Amino acid sequence: EAGVTQFPSHSVIEKGQTVTLRCDPISGHDNLYWYRRVMGKEIKFLLHFVKESKQDESGMPNNRFLAERTGGTYSTLKVQPAELEDSGVYFCASSQEGRLAKEFFGPGTRLTVL
Amino acid sequence: AQSVTQPDIHITVSEGASLELRCNYSYGATPYLFWYVQSPGQGLQLLLKYFSGDTLVQGIKGFEAEFKRSQSSFNLRKPSVHWSDAAEYFCAVEKNTGFQKLVFGTGTRLLVSP
Repeated sequence: EAGVTQFPSHSVIEKGQTVTLRCDPISGHDNLYWYRRVMGKEIKFLLHFVKESKQDESGMPNNRFLAERTGGTYSTLKVQPAELEDSGVYFCASSQEGRLAKEFFGPGTRLTVL
Repeated sequence: AQSVTQPDIHITVSEGASLELRCNYSYGATPYLFWYVQSPGQGLQLLLKYFSGDTLVQGIKGFEAEFKRSQSSFNLRKPSVHWSDAAEYFCAVEKNTGFQKLVFGTGTRLLVSP
């Protein structure tokens, strides 16, 4: 069974540019989560989709971040315009049930904003 | 608000020696508790979890953790460390009400010396 995949694995952009991160969850998983780890800090929750609906987006830092999950399959996270403080590792996770105990995390996308 | 503290940023252990990684949480009720590991280039992998019942939890790769309510702790242990255990370890909590996000600690990087 394929795991959660994320693309790209690394992205280096300049301040002010736009970047789109993609997450493909495990097939059949209705729940999809985005997390972010800024350098040296804890991994923080960004948002949670149930199918195509945003269940909880309380962790989204500001309106420069836009997450979508069209059709309830893969999800994208767009940062526009990117700022220096957006640098970090963005993780995606998916689960078949609401309980995150059965979730699977992707390898993350390392974003560097110069 | 919930918080998770992992007081050790780095720990170095000799191969074959025992390991204990500390985790303390702040939460009004008994949360669900987790330990994850991230090896280089890999996603977060669940080592073990505690929901209720026996406070000593066995996980994968020979790890175990003990929930101590009186100390608000959930320390991770392994009796004999292998070089392949070198990775970053994260403690996390989740509200036990379903569809909730994880709150992570800042992580502890484990180095294994020969």
